[in-house]
Amino acid sequence: DAKTTQPPSMDCAEGRAANLPCNHSTISGNEYVYWYRQIHSQGPQYIIHGLKNNETNEMASLIITEDRKSSTLILPHATLRDTAVYYCIVRGGGRGSTLGRLYFGRGTQLTVWP
Amino acid sequence: EPEVTQTPSHQVTQMGQEVILRCVPISNHLYFYWYRQILGQKVEFLVSFYNNEISEKSEIFDDQFSVERPDGSNFTLKIRSTKLEDSAMYFCASSEIQVTSYEQYFGPGTRLTVT
Repeated sequence: DAKTTQPPSMDCAEGRAANLPCNHSTISGNEYVYWYRQIHSQGPQYIIHGLKNNETNEMASLIITEDRKSSTLILPHATLRDTAVYYCIVRGGGRGSTLGRLYFGRGTQLTVWP
Repeated sequence: EPEVTQTPSHQVTQMGQEVILRCVPISNHLYFYWYRQILGQKVEFLVSFYNNEISEKSEIFDDQFSVERPDGSNFTLKIRSTKLEDSAMYFCASSEIQVTSYEQYFGPGTRLTVT
C-alpha cells in the first residue's frame, strides 16, 4: 500500500469548513483513498473513500487531484464533536485476503474550537 | 444502525494469565479483524479472519494469540499468557465483503491492562 503524508495537527473554528490534506504520491492505479477518524481512544470510524472521482456523503467530501497524488477531506461545517485524529489510508482494491489490513499512520489531529 | 460491540470494555489481568476478548461483528459481515493501539501509539493490525480461518496476520500476532469464531455471532481474541507489553486498546472490526472497495466498521474497544 502506498505511503501517505499528513500534517500532524490542524485547527478550525466551529461552523467553518475543515480541509484536511493528504499526500499519496506513490499511489497506484487500483488503490483507493480512505479516510477514517478516531475520537479520543474510541474505535476508528469510517468516513469516506474514493478512487479518482470526488465523493460526497453525509459526513464529508473527498476531493482527489487529477493525478491522484493528493487528496483533501472536507468537513463543510465543523462542530466541536469533529475534534479527532483523521487518518488518510491508501489501499488496493479487488478480491484477496492480503488486501484486508488497514495501515494507520499518525494522522492529523483536528481541533475544532468554539 | 448496526454496530460492532465488544466486551468487556476494560479488562485488568495479571502477567501470565490468559484473557479472552469478545466481539460481536455486524450480523451480515463476513470478514473480521483485530487491531490494537498501545497508549499514544498508532493503531496496529493484528489479524484478519474469513471463512473460519485466518486470512492474514501481522508479526505481532505470535503463538500467544489466537482467534476463534465459536458460534455464529461471536469473534474472540485469546492471549494465552499475557505480558506487560500487551497492555493496549484492542479493537475488533468487521466488513461486509471484499470487492473493489469496502469499509471496516470498528467496535468501541477493550482496554486491556496487564499488571
